[in-house]
Amino acid sequence: EVQLVESGGSLVQPGGSLKLSCVASGFTFSNYWMDWVRQTPGKSLEWIGEINTDGSKTNYAPSIKDRFTISRDNAKSTLYLQMSNVKSDDTAIYYCTITTTGYFDYWGQGVMVTVSS
Amino acid sequence: DIQMTQSPASLSASLGETVTIECRASEDIYSNLAWYQQKPGNSPQLLIYDANSLADGVPSRFSGSGSGTQYSLKINSLQSEDVASYFCQQYNNYPYTFGAGTKLELK
Repeated sequence: EVQLVESGGSLVQPGGSLKLSCVASGFTFSNYWMDWVRQTPGKSLEWIGEINTDGSKTNYAPSIKDRFTISRDNAKSTLYLQMSNVKSDDTAIYYCTITTTGYFDYWGQGVMVTVSS
Repeated sequence: DIQMTQSPASLSASLGETVTIECRASEDIYSNLAWYQQKPGNSPQLLIYDANSLADGVPSRFSGSGSGTQYSLKINSLQSEDVASYFCQQYNNYPYTFGAGTKLELK
């Protein structure tokens, strides 16, 4: 059974940093591109970015480019999202997802990030 | 960015009814469109990909259609477990973008 378990969410101050993790199981992690998607309190979904199978290539949404970094450790079947210089607009539930040619086959349960002073 | 306009924003329907949700892209997305279902308190789940392909395990009462800039999701014979929010998503161009969602309730 495919499982994606996110962790690392918390309350963080504006301008601060946070690193989210997503541990994958039930499939061969190193064979799949992985993405992060977030859902705002108003329920809108926003694609954040993606990483290829060996971690050598990433693509990001313009809204977070240069502030967020996606990485992975295939030996640990873990995906990461490093968030820096966070803003109140970054308050959301963050999901890691498995990607097949751009659509999201499986989603984790999500982790909450709140940006507030 | 490609804008995805989804309608209606909310919908109330009776059990057994047929429901249709529309999604319009701001430019041609060549059927690179997916639909997701999100039940209250849960993560989104893939329903349809490539505009009309049913994801594994999705009941056949769900179907997708469309081309170019206009797409739709149809639910035949509405069941109580279909109460959820539905989102469309284009993956023809970066950045991938979503519709604002349709909240489906029972009448």
